[in-house]
Amino acid sequence: QKEVEQDPGPLSVPEGAIVSLNCTYSNSAFQYFMWYRQYSRKGPELLMYTYSSGNKEDGRFTAQVDKSSKYISLFIRDSQPSDSATYLCAMSVRGAQKLVFGQGTRLTINP
Amino acid sequence: GAVVSQHPSWVICKSGTSVKIECRSLDFQATTMFWYRQFPKQSLMLMATSNEGSKATYEQGVEKDKFLINHASLTLSTLTVTSAHPEDSSFYICSDLSGGAEETQYFGPGTRLLVL
Repeated sequence: QKEVEQDPGPLSVPEGAIVSLNCTYSNSAFQYFMWYRQYSRKGPELLMYTYSSGNKEDGRFTAQVDKSSKYISLFIRDSQPSDSATYLCAMSVRGAQKLVFGQGTRLTINP
Repeated sequence: GAVVSQHPSWVICKSGTSVKIECRSLDFQATTMFWYRQFPKQSLMLMATSNEGSKATYEQGVEKDKFLINHASLTLSTLTVTSAHPEDSSFYICSDLSGGAEETQYFGPGTRLLVL
């Protein structure tokens, strides 16, 4: 079993829809949770960073962490074609420096 | 967040030659940088942790004699793929730590390597 599980998709939704992306994990020591967006042939771009359980909102993006269920989510509201990319969840143990990535979900927003 | 650059953005080389990829932290003194490899439609695979002024730490299964890492200054780490073969063709990405308490990584734009 992988430490971090993420449905690779592909996921295709119409413009304006709410998108929900999810990851589950098995290591209860993870304390830092991140979402990266990666466009084709580009490096990953940090979208959201959260520490501990709860919600964090930044514009159209909301990151949610449920440590009791070992489950994290990224919600995208009013999705745009420019949101079409691969979304990677990543997490780390405090002080470990290394990130453990999910497989990435390929998302397409159709105009 | 930190700004990381990579050079070159893409490179084509003949089998058996060596290729050097540079990774620069432009606005942050990075004592630690990371090198990843990404194959098409796959996630990032950590190759090694680059430590300024000391030897890199390689992940299991990564040949340290083939993938030479040098981190001679706080802003520059280099990855040299020695005696490259077609199976080394991949997307190589570096990152550095944000510093402070965030423990997040900021990634460079990546270098696409094609070995013929």
